[in-house]
Amino acid sequence: DTEVTQTPKHLVMGMTNKKSLKCEQHMGHRAMYWYKQKAKKPPELMFVYSYEKLSINESVPSRFSPECPNSSLLNLHLHALQPEDSALYLCASSQEGGGSQPQHFGDGTRLSIL
Amino acid sequence: GESVGLHLPTLSVQEGDNSIINCAYSNSASDYFIWYKQESGKGPQFIIDIRSNMDKRQGQRVTVLLNKTVKHLSLQIAATQPGDSAVYFCAENIGSPDKLIFGTGTRLQVFP
Repeated sequence: DTEVTQTPKHLVMGMTNKKSLKCEQHMGHRAMYWYKQKAKKPPELMFVYSYEKLSINESVPSRFSPECPNSSLLNLHLHALQPEDSALYLCASSQEGGGSQPQHFGDGTRLSIL
Repeated sequence: GESVGLHLPTLSVQEGDNSIINCAYSNSASDYFIWYKQESGKGPQFIIDIRSNMDKRQGQRVTVLLNKTVKHLSLQIAATQPGDSAVYFCAENIGSPDKLIFGTGTRLQVFP
């Protein structure tokens, strides 16, 4: 079982809906990440939070809005998504954002845009 | 551009045999590498990591080898089991401290 918990596991939404993905970890990690993974492709980095501050935004469209309410929680707010945004969204965490530490992943939210 | 690639997209092995999954990277400044295993319907699971000041690191049934001269990384799995069937990704940490770049992945299939 993963120590990074993501909810919901599956989400189907229309292009005009607003929804949020949630991620939680209780390992005391101070860096948290959002990745997008299309079928049969590797995960692609979207956002990085380090000590609750956004440190990396990989030129992600504004219809994706991350939020880090505290060191254990990470949200991804979704609005006006497109069909090509359908993918597996993975959350990860690591002890610190210093680079030489493994990132631990949740099992993802599988998102389908109608 | 910078990339992390794998030589074989699919590797089929017989149960009990050893498996070797290869990965090439292009950024000589990368100083940290990780192997992940991803099973169907799950997120990537950390297997083993290695820093650039090491050539080899061993875990339980797994060994990672790093050849900085030719920018090559490999994962060796001893006595491969059916439960090892998954997609394996190598990843390197480049440039920005938090940025992890994944390779394209290798599917390992284990036959009885």
